[in-house]
Amino acid sequence: KQEVTQIPAALSVPEGENLVLNCSFTDSAIYNLQWFRQDPGKGLTSLLLIQSSQREQTSGRLNASLDKSSGRSTLYIAASQPGDSATYLCAPCYNNNDMRFGAGTRLTVKP
Amino acid sequence: DVKVTQSSRYLVKRTGEKVFLECVQDMDHENMFWYRQDPGLGLRLIYFSYDVKMKEKGDIPEGYSVSREKKERFSLILESASTNQTSMYLCASRAPGAAYEQYFGPGTRLTVT
Repeated sequence: KQEVTQIPAALSVPEGENLVLNCSFTDSAIYNLQWFRQDPGKGLTSLLLIQSSQREQTSGRLNASLDKSSGRSTLYIAASQPGDSATYLCAPCYNNNDMRFGAGTRLTVKP
Repeated sequence: DVKVTQSSRYLVKRTGEKVFLECVQDMDHENMFWYRQDPGLGLRLIYFSYDVKMKEKGDIPEGYSVSREKKERFSLILESASTNQTSMYLCASRAPGAAYEQYFGPGTRLTVT
């Protein structure tokens, strides 16, 4: 069974800090990996997708890296802002239809 | 922009009622999915569909059925709602292939009383 672990479960930082969210997955035979954010009571918003052949992807202040062989991915957020406060979910995908989700990291950025 | 819409944001139903949750996507995606999200359990796949009239069970299909008569629309049906089906239901769609992102709808918060 593929398991996805996200550390830390919750994180509170002052505005402006750079931060790293961690994700590990037990089965490294992934198809791709996606990072999402979820605001309370809302759906998931896609942030970045990394294909299994890629090492990293960048979008604005976000950078996601993938180490497939060790079963790890990190999401780096630069210069955090209060609007970044949300739950961040890591989701490795094992084929066209089998996406697994971590429990998420709940981020609070204080003004 | 990809858009996945769900018919209701909030729904309250009584035990035993038949419930329909509708999902529509506007990007001509072959794959569509229904998940439920519960505190402490995360997102769990109920059913997915990879083409019109095609469906496969996910991890927790019991008590649910689905319908996909048109490519853009994927419906989740609770045949006889029960209180343990109170949850957040999320629909998603994706084009086939590793290069394509999965997109989610805004969710339907269903309460069964």
